[in-house]
Amino acid sequence: GNSVTQMEGPVTLSEEAFLTINCTYTATGYPSLFWYVQYPGEGLQLLLKATKADDKGSNKGFEATYRKETTSFHLEKGSVQVSDSAVYFCALHGSSNTGKLIFGQGTTLQVKP
Amino acid sequence: GAVVSQHPSWVICKSGTSVKIECRSLDFQATTMFWYRQFPKQSLMLMATSNEGSKATYEQGVEKDKFLINHASLTLSTLTVTSAHPEDSSFYICSASSPSGSSNEQFFGPGTRLTVL
Repeated sequence: GNSVTQMEGPVTLSEEAFLTINCTYTATGYPSLFWYVQYPGEGLQLLLKATKADDKGSNKGFEATYRKETTSFHLEKGSVQVSDSAVYFCALHGSSNTGKLIFGQGTTLQVKP
Repeated sequence: GAVVSQHPSWVICKSGTSVKIECRSLDFQATTMFWYRQFPKQSLMLMATSNEGSKATYEQGVEKDKFLINHASLTLSTLTVTSAHPEDSSFYICSASSPSGSSNEQFFGPGTRLTVL
């Protein structure tokens, strides 16, 4: 079945450091891929998405490229801020169109000033 | 656009009572809504998929008689936790998708924190 694996956290960085959160997936067909962010005590917000191979999703300085050859969708940001501290979830929606999202386990990012 | 609200945002109840959580899509019609449960520092666990006007589809291991889901309109779905017990304490999150949405995007509510004493 479909699955998503994220790097384990927590990830602790200093402000302005470079961020990478790894995400790999297993899926049949051509899934859509997502990154969601969850701030403390809140629900999930869509950060970015990519719907086909080689697409790059970007938002608020974050980027992720849909790599079918490596089945990856790593999240990157060139310079993190304290306000980026949150939990980040990688997710996929399979091509079977059930509407279900499959989430990774989440990665906690803590940015220190 | 694409705002989803939940009510209440938090609730404390006594063991044995029932609690209803509402999920509303404020500016779009949601043919499908999803209910998730999240334990502290863990990922979201899909509980059920709710389609307007039909019975919800529950994930394996989720008790449908305990977690009653109703999706009576295109903008409202409710989750009722019946005879709640302390182990039901969790963060419940709903999401909604629209038939006009792209790439099957789901829009998430802010979540409801349930504490059962």
